[in-house]
Amino acid sequence: QQPVQSPQAVILREGEDAVINCSSSKALYSVHWYRQKHGEAPVFLMILLKGGEQKGHEKISASFNEKKQQSSLYLTASQLSYSGTYFCGTWEDQGAQKLVFGQGTRLTINP
Amino acid sequence: GAGVSQSPSNKVTEKGKDVELRCDPISGHTALYWYRQRLGQGLEFLIYFQGNSAPDKSGLPSDRFSAERTGESVSTLTIQRTQQEDSAVYLCASSLAQGPYNEQFFGPGTRLTVL
Repeated sequence: QQPVQSPQAVILREGEDAVINCSSSKALYSVHWYRQKHGEAPVFLMILLKGGEQKGHEKISASFNEKKQQSSLYLTASQLSYSGTYFCGTWEDQGAQKLVFGQGTRLTINP
Repeated sequence: GAGVSQSPSNKVTEKGKDVELRCDPISGHTALYWYRQRLGQGLEFLIYFQGNSAPDKSGLPSDRFSAERTGESVSTLTIQRTQQEDSAVYLCASSLAQGPYNEQFFGPGTRLTVL
């Protein structure tokens, strides 16, 4: 089942903060976050695993609430380069075989 | 080192023709994934390979779609008798191993347009 991302789109001024949420109706083993700029390939940002382990870029902050089956990505003091579409991908259990991606959140940062 | 590459970058074809899309993963990556992305939409899983085997083909939209991987390296996604609804960007990704711990590295995609 596809996770639901919110908001679908957000527009910020440079320096403002944003939170992007990813919710699933199923229990999750891990959540992956990727960013895709227009016309480019998605780029890995972070993996959050059940039990609290995280792997990713130091400047990216995210949380994973296993009980609520939710993850949030925190973008603070946004820069123009943060613009793009953010996708979460959920891995339902350790034996699952694929990521199921959400529909994406389009982030626009204006000067 | 070299990233994931895909060819062609763009493909325009006529309805009913067959197309082949190629993916060259990062060397040493045992897992390879194919996704479809329609305009303005998310990533739709198609198939994945662990080595040369495809344990999960459930994402392939119809029997017109097939894929193979050889030498634990290059993969080809074939679409037979293309339809207009097949128009999309087809993305390939590879990871060191299959599983929830491993990030996926994406190629630039092949934009397929079916006229």
